Amino acid sequence: KNQVEQSPQSLIILEGKNCTLQCNYTVSPFSNLRWYKQDTGRGPVSLTIMTFSENTKSNGRYTATLDADTKQSSLHITASQLSDSASYICVVSAGAGNMLTFGGGTRLMVKP
Amino acid sequence: DGGITQSPKYLFRKEGQNVTLSCEQNLNHDAMYWYRQDPGQGLRLIYYSQIVNDFQKGDIAEGYSVSREKKESFPLTVTSAQKNPTAFYLCASKEGDLANYGYTFGSGTRLTVV
Repeated sequence: KNQVEQSPQSLIILEGKNCTLQCNYTVSPFSNLRWYKQDTGRGPVSLTIMTFSENTKSNGRYTATLDADTKQSSLHITASQLSDSASYICVVSAGAGNMLTFGGGTRLMVKP
Repeated sequence: DGGITQSPKYLFRKEGQNVTLSCEQNLNHDAMYWYRQDPGQGLRLIYYSQIVNDFQKGDIAEGYSVSREKKESFPLTVTSAQKNPTAFYLCASKEGDLANYGYTFGSGTRLTVV
């Protein structure tokens, strides 16, 4: 069964600090891995997408890494801002139909 | 601006009622999807449609129905057969079949049974 596990479930950091969110997956055959940011009561917004051959992708202060051998990904947020407070969702696409398997998300709170 | 519009934002349903959630996109995307989101869980696929007049069941289709009469519209009906409908519902669209095409999500509808 395809699964995506994220850790931690929740995280509180001070404004200006860095943090790293983790994603482990057991999805086969792997197609790509995406990170989304979801504000409370809103739809997810794409941050990055990585294919099998890519091991890092940046989008501003967000940097995602992918280790396809160990089936792990991380999302690093640099110099956090209050607006980074949101849920971050790891999503893996698999198979010929490229169907998505969603992780449960990490809820990040950035405090002043 | 192009995007996906879901309405209403909040919806209350009495026991035994059917309700329909609207999803409209002006992105000219072929594929559209309905997901259900429960607290602490990943999004789960209800139904999807790759082309007009065709749709497929997702992982949790029981108690739900859809139609795709127009490319722009993919309404979801939550029927009385859905025993636990209280959740956040998200509609998404995708340009085509290629794996790396991005998904665009709507802002969601929060459905509550009263």
